[in-house]
Amino acid sequence: EVQLLESGGGLVQPGGSLTLSCAASGFTFSVYWMSWVRQAPGKGLEWVANINQDGSEKSYVASVKGRFTISRDNAKNALHLQMNSLRADDTAVYYCARDWWAGDSHYFDHWGRGALVTVSS
Amino acid sequence: SYGLTQPPSVSVAPGKTASITCGGDNNRLRAVHWYQQKPGRAPILVIFYDSDRPSGIPERFSGSRSGNTATLTITRVEAGDEADYYCQVWDRGSNFYAFGTGTKVTVL
Repeated sequence: EVQLLESGGGLVQPGGSLTLSCAASGFTFSVYWMSWVRQAPGKGLEWVANINQDGSEKSYVASVKGRFTISRDNAKNALHLQMNSLRADDTAVYYCARDWWAGDSHYFDHWGRGALVTVSS
Repeated sequence: SYGLTQPPSVSVAPGKTASITCGGDNNRLRAVHWYQQKPGRAPILVIFYDSDRPSGIPERFSGSRSGNTATLTITRVEAGDEADYYCQVWDRGSNFYAFGTGTKVTVL
């Protein structure tokens, strides 16, 4: 059974940093793209970042470029999101998602339960 | 970026059919994927590549795409189908994932 378990969420002050992690199990982690998707309170879904199988390709939504860094450790079946210079509008539930790539589209076939990040003074 | 427009809400009686549309803002609407999200829960994939259904998703869920509009159809609606539904596409040109604005399905 595919399982994705996020950790590292919490309360952080504006301008602060936080690192989210996602522990993957039940599938061969190293052959899949992975993504982070977030959802602000009462709002819709927003893709944040993705990373390819060996970590050589990474992409970000414009609003987090230069502040967030996605990475992975295939030996430990782990996905990470380093978040710096956090702002109030980064407050959201952050989901780790397995990212299925079939050559002409990406979609998310499994999701974690999410980790809440609150940016507030 | 790429905009996907969905109706904010759809209401349907039990046993009837609900249809949720997803419109692209230009003529580049690509393969569309759909997610169901119940309150306080993570989204789950219900349709991928316009009309394919993952294992475990009831046949009552179906999808289609015509021109610049994709549609998620739920037949024989049940109380357990009450949720928010989001469409999603991936834009190759910008390597950007776009989600629709979301539709709240209410079962009367």
